[in-house]
Amino acid sequence: KAGVTQTPRYLIKTRGQQVTLSCSPISGHRSVSWYQQTPGQGLQFLFEYFSETQRNKGNFPGRFSGRQFSNSRSEMNVSTLELGDSALYLCASSLTSGSLDEQFFGPGTRLTVL
Amino acid sequence: EDQVTQSPEALRLQEGESSSLNCSYTVSGLRGLFWYRQDPGKGPEFLFTLYSAGEEKEKERLKATLTKKESFLHITAPKPEDSATYLCAVQARGSARQLTFGSGTQLTVLP
Repeated sequence: KAGVTQTPRYLIKTRGQQVTLSCSPISGHRSVSWYQQTPGQGLQFLFEYFSETQRNKGNFPGRFSGRQFSNSRSEMNVSTLELGDSALYLCASSLTSGSLDEQFFGPGTRLTVL
Repeated sequence: EDQVTQSPEALRLQEGESSSLNCSYTVSGLRGLFWYRQDPGKGPEFLFTLYSAGEEKEKERLKATLTKKESFLHITAPKPEDSATYLCAVQARGSARQLTFGSGTQLTVLP
């Protein structure tokens, strides 16, 4: 069974640009959550999507947004990039939302903002 | 606000030297506590979910326990391949799938 896939794996952008990251969950999983991981702040929750609806959102500015498609694939977008947005962006998929079934993480997208 | 604190930040063990990692938490109604392992350059790998105080789970050389304020990850006779960062996370009631993570314990097992 294929795991969570994220594309691209590495990305370099400059300040002020915008970026779109993609996540394909495990087949049959309908919940996708996004996290930002930095050395200073660790893993922080961005948002969760289930059945194309945002279910929960962390404490990030509105420059961070996402969406989910009918096939459960998800994208997150960061507009007007700042140096501090450099991080590993992880997505995690699970069967449902609001329960305690396991969340499986993808390998992440490493974003560098210059 | 939910908080998770892990200690120590880093731990070096000799192969076969057992030890424990600590995860202290404060949460407004614990729904579940999770342990993950993360290798460099990879996403976290799920290890355990604990739901209530007194619960224990085991997998190979790892055993996780839970009290009302903290969780321990016991590593028995570790091997070099157990070297990784171990992350603890909590899910609060009513928080959907949002996990609050600790900063992790970087474990190095020397041969």
